[in-house]
Amino acid sequence: RKEVEQDPGPFNVPEGATVAFNCTYSNSASQSFFWYRQDCRKEPKLLMSVYSSGNEDGRFTAQLNRASQYISLLIRDSKLSDSATYLCAVSHMEYGNKLVFGAGTILRVKS
Amino acid sequence: NAGVTQTPKFRVLKTGQSMTLLCAQDMNHEYMYWYRQDPGMGLRLIHYSVGEGTTAKGEVPDGYNVSRLKKQNFLLGLESAAPSQTSVYFCASSYREGGGARDEQFFGPGTRLTVL
Repeated sequence: RKEVEQDPGPFNVPEGATVAFNCTYSNSASQSFFWYRQDCRKEPKLLMSVYSSGNEDGRFTAQLNRASQYISLLIRDSKLSDSATYLCAVSHMEYGNKLVFGAGTILRVKS
Repeated sequence: NAGVTQTPKFRVLKTGQSMTLLCAQDMNHEYMYWYRQDPGMGLRLIHYSVGEGTTAKGEVPDGYNVSRLKKQNFLLGLESAAPSQTSVYFCASSYREGGGARDEQFFGPGTRLTVL
């Protein structure tokens, strides 16, 4: 079993739709959680950190469920420009707090 | 302020050849990382460095060597390239270990390497 797993998608949604991704992690000792965005043939860029209480940044909401060991990303009112691959990442002391990445979920927003 | 830069952007090697990938950052970050990204596998950590003169193995270190002689540079070497090392290589740096709003990992644009 992979340490961090994501549904690869693709998720094909119309503009204006709400879409949600989940990411599961296997190590219960994981401490920090993140969502990165990666555009085609580009480098990953941090989208959001995920806090225990959940956090929101404009149309994006991230949640953490420690009991079920998953994090989620909700995108409201999808834009064409949201089309990208979304990577989740977790860190834990076993790896010296370095990041372990999921393989990514592809989102395609269509007009 | 260029952030994180990588050279070269593209390279094609024959099996058994050697090469060095260069990563440079101008943010005075202590920590630097080399990842490889393969389809369906996500980003995997090859080696990392917590400061000038120090390096450590990551998840997939075999076949690679690294050096951090200067704080701003992190070099990744392939001594004898193999087709299994065909991948996209990303360098990243951070002010401190881990990633997040306070210690975000900044990535370079990547190097696309093909080994024939």
